[in-house]
Amino acid sequence: GAGVSQSPRYKVTKRGQDVALRCDPISGHVSLYWYRQALGQGPEFLTYFNYEAQQDKSGLPNDRFSAERPEGSISTLTIQRTEQRDSAMYRCASSTSSVSETQYFGPGTRLLVL
Amino acid sequence: AQTVTQSQPEMSVQEAETVTLSCTYDTSESDYYLFWYKQPPSRQMILVIRQEAYKQQNATENRFSVNFQKAAKSFSLKISDSQLGDAAMYFCAGIMGSNYKLTFGKGTLLTVNP
Repeated sequence: GAGVSQSPRYKVTKRGQDVALRCDPISGHVSLYWYRQALGQGPEFLTYFNYEAQQDKSGLPNDRFSAERPEGSISTLTIQRTEQRDSAMYRCASSTSSVSETQYFGPGTRLLVL
Repeated sequence: AQTVTQSQPEMSVQEAETVTLSCTYDTSESDYYLFWYKQPPSRQMILVIRQEAYKQQNATENRFSVNFQKAAKSFSLKISDSQLGDAAMYFCAGIMGSNYKLTFGKGTLLTVNP
């Protein structure tokens, strides 16, 4: 596809369950980013990959959150033992390189933890 | 610290009229990039326009243009000939220095009245 895709688009889960959110970046984009957006707020940075290397995970809120991009393309953000406060829109973005390049966003995954 | 501030939570405009959305930022970096993203009700995050700090000329994309005042650290978005499809949340964002993280403002909700 031409743009960034994310799946699932919506995820409802029960507290304590693990969830995996997938991001498929634009073909040829080497940089991939994850952001989290609370209702009524702008997105906030979670983590960044350059190819398959996770260069920065400083925005991950705690050790229940992890991300990987094993082959330098598709990425998975995993949240273990979900809590209600994890409910948010999770957005993935990609760019041709890192610094200065425009980041193009996917449609997001809306996560609701009951 | 790098910050992006949008002081107008909501704005409205009549169809075919012009509206300006305000944004200020703060950074000690000399090299940075500024963006406006649009988030329609579908909650997609769509790039509207981009401005490089080293460029003196204001960026323009069809009906969208910016007023970039570097000394004042101001980056406003002007929408001309407003259309109903312009109704959305607009986020101002920046990448500062050798950073790759987008820092977002809290957004301005634009309503377009027929």
